[in-house]
Amino acid sequence: EAQVTQNPRYLITVTGKKLTVTCSQNMNHEYMSWYRQDPGLGLRQIYYSMNVEVTDKGDVPEGYKVSRKEKRNFPLILESPSPNQTSLYFCASSSRRQGRTEAFFGQGTRLTVV
Amino acid sequence: AQSVTQPDIHITVSEGASLELRCNYSYGATPYLFWYVQSPGQGLQLLLKYFSGDTLVQGIKGFEAEFKRSQSSFNLRKPSVHWSDAAEYFCAVGTLNNDMRFGAGTRLTVKP
Repeated sequence: EAQVTQNPRYLITVTGKKLTVTCSQNMNHEYMSWYRQDPGLGLRQIYYSMNVEVTDKGDVPEGYKVSRKEKRNFPLILESPSPNQTSLYFCASSSRRQGRTEAFFGQGTRLTVV
Repeated sequence: AQSVTQPDIHITVSEGASLELRCNYSYGATPYLFWYVQSPGQGLQLLLKYFSGDTLVQGIKGFEAEFKRSQSSFNLRKPSVHWSDAAEYFCAVGTLNNDMRFGAGTRLTVKP
């Protein structure tokens, strides 16, 4: 089954404790991205990657890092989380090989930083 | 850069009534347009998409949307709403390099 898998689904952590949210897709998509969802703001892009070893900042990259060492994985790293990073996070992937396609989303990771 | 505006934060309709959710986009080239739905506690599910061709597109769950280039709009419609349609709806515009921008969302409440 084609899917984007994020882990964990829920995470509560303390300020300053480094964490990683994993994202994996099994569709061989080139493009992957991370969004955060906050009430009244919709989804805002944090980082994206157009292919392996190619990453770039989205609209709200401050406080986040990403890496793309393999095509299927695109982890989101918070080196020193702060309470303003409490949010719902989504990973997405899409392909351009067969023309334009829609983004496929993971189930989301609800992060609380206390 | 592209952007999306969903003017209605919250809409309430009665079950069986018709529905229209508004979406306006800003993008200099031909847009790729999407509607996603998010049920409580769930991820985003694609309802429909417009890439080119017929400007009236049909989606899942009885939804349709019409692309109107002159109005920069891509409104979502459903002739008869069901209680299970209560959710949050997001309009998005995409570009050739797969970049996507989302609107702030419209929360739909369905009254019995």
